[in-house]
Amino acid sequence: LVMTQSPLFLSVTPGEPASISCRSSQSLLQSNGYNYLDWYLQKPGQSPQLLIYLGSNRASGVPDRFSGRGSGTDFTLEISRVETGDVGIYYCMQALQAPYTFGQGTKLEIK
Amino acid sequence: QVQLQESGPGLVKPSETLSLTCGVSGGSISNYYWTWIRQSPEKGLELIAYMYYSGGTYYNPAFESRVTISVDTSKNQFSLKLTSVTAADTALYYCARGRGVVTAKINFDLWGQGALVTVSS
Repeated sequence: LVMTQSPLFLSVTPGEPASISCRSSQSLLQSNGYNYLDWYLQKPGQSPQLLIYLGSNRASGVPDRFSGRGSGTDFTLEISRVETGDVGIYYCMQALQAPYTFGQGTKLEIK
Repeated sequence: QVQLQESGPGLVKPSETLSLTCGVSGGSISNYYWTWIRQSPEKGLELIAYMYYSGGTYYNPAFESRVTISVDTSKNQFSLKLTSVTAADTALYYCARGRGVVTAKINFDLWGQGALVTVSS
C-alpha cells in the first residue's frame, strides 16, 4: 500500500495557511467508518510526533490550527495559521494494512 | 511523564546481530503495543515490529526472518534483535509506544529519541 505526498517541499509565511496532500494506492476507509490514516510531524532533530489519527482526530495537545480531512484515498492536512514552531517534515501513514507504511514526507519551512 | 530511551551499540559489523533495548520510565509497560520503527534516507520510516505487553507479536514481512522483539515487564523494557545485518540496515532506530484506538488500529503516541546504528566493518 503506497502513500504519496505532495508537495515534497513547502515554504510558508507565518500566519498564512498551509496544506499538504496525501494519496493512498488503496482506500483507507474501514468498514467501521474510520479512515485509517494518520499524520505525524518530525521537527528538526526530534522523533516523529502524532498530530492527527483516523483521518481527522487531533492527538492530545495538538493545537486546533491543525486539521485533517479526506476519505478513501485522498487526504489533506491543513494548518490554518502557520507558526515558526511548525517547521519540520510532515508524514502521512496508513494503518489499514500491515505493515503500516509512511509517505515520503513534506518539508515545511518558514519564509 | 512517560519517557522511552533506546540503548545499544552504535556500530555493528556486517552479518552480526543488531541488539537494542528500550527502557520505559515514568509509566507502566502494561496495556500497550511496544514498537520498533527505523528511519533511513533510502527507505524513510519503516515499521519493523511490535509486541503487545502480554504477548502477541507482529513482524514486518520485510524483516520477519531476521527480527525478534521481546518485552520484559519486570524490567519495564523491550528489545529488538535483527540478525545478519548489512549496510542497508544502517538507520536511526526508534522505539515507540502503541495505543489501541479502534479495531485493529494502533496510535504511536510516544517515541524515543532514536538510536543511530551503523553497520560497517
